[in-house]
Amino acid sequence: AQSVTQLGSHVSVSEGALVLLRCNYSSSVPPYLFWYVQYPNQGLQLLLKYTTGATLVKGINGFEAEFKKSETSFHLTKPSAHMSDAAEYFCAVSVPPGGSYIPTFGRGTSLIVHP
Amino acid sequence: EAGVVQSPRYKIIEKKQPVAFWCNPISGHNTLYWYLQNLGQGPELLIRYENEEAVDDSQLPKDRFSAERLKGVDSTLKIQPAELGDSAVYLCASSLEGRISGIDEQFFGPGTRLTVL
Repeated sequence: AQSVTQLGSHVSVSEGALVLLRCNYSSSVPPYLFWYVQYPNQGLQLLLKYTTGATLVKGINGFEAEFKKSETSFHLTKPSAHMSDAAEYFCAVSVPPGGSYIPTFGRGTSLIVHP
Repeated sequence: EAGVVQSPRYKIIEKKQPVAFWCNPISGHNTLYWYLQNLGQGPELLIRYENEEAVDDSQLPKDRFSAERLKGVDSTLKIQPAELGDSAVYLCASSLEGRISGIDEQFFGPGTRLTVL
């Protein structure tokens, strides 16, 4: 079974500063990895995903994440935070049997952006 | 393109009462998911449908929860009777699976926030 650990339930940054949200996974086979964002009173929206190939994945809104197998990590970064980035971020992992997948989500990290 | 629609957005009921949530997925999406999201937690899968067939319902508490997806389009999740611990957000998501990679993005609805008093 797969699992996800998101380090830090809250991350606070100043506007314009680097954003780093940490995610470590556990999986017995090569995983598929995802980052979702959830704004207040809304559903989750996919930011980016890693399946195979290039380990540096670029997503929407300037976010990117790097799959590091040796560290079992998939940390999310953005060079310069914007006020509109304040939201809840979820890392998810899945191991697809036969091509269909059910992701396991982490507990989430709340990103706070100060002016 | 319309997104995943859920109703109601908010529901307050007393314990032991029944409650139902409705979800209309994105047109053409053959896979539908119901998730439970407790405060401060990530979503947890309750049930997944491929068309009208429930293919993964191992996490659904079948003594009080039921779901259906008639005609493989919209879906209803029911709780009867509701308990205090059922207070949470119930998310519906849909995806189009079956492509070559088998991997496709899940599109989430805004959720139904249930409060059981």
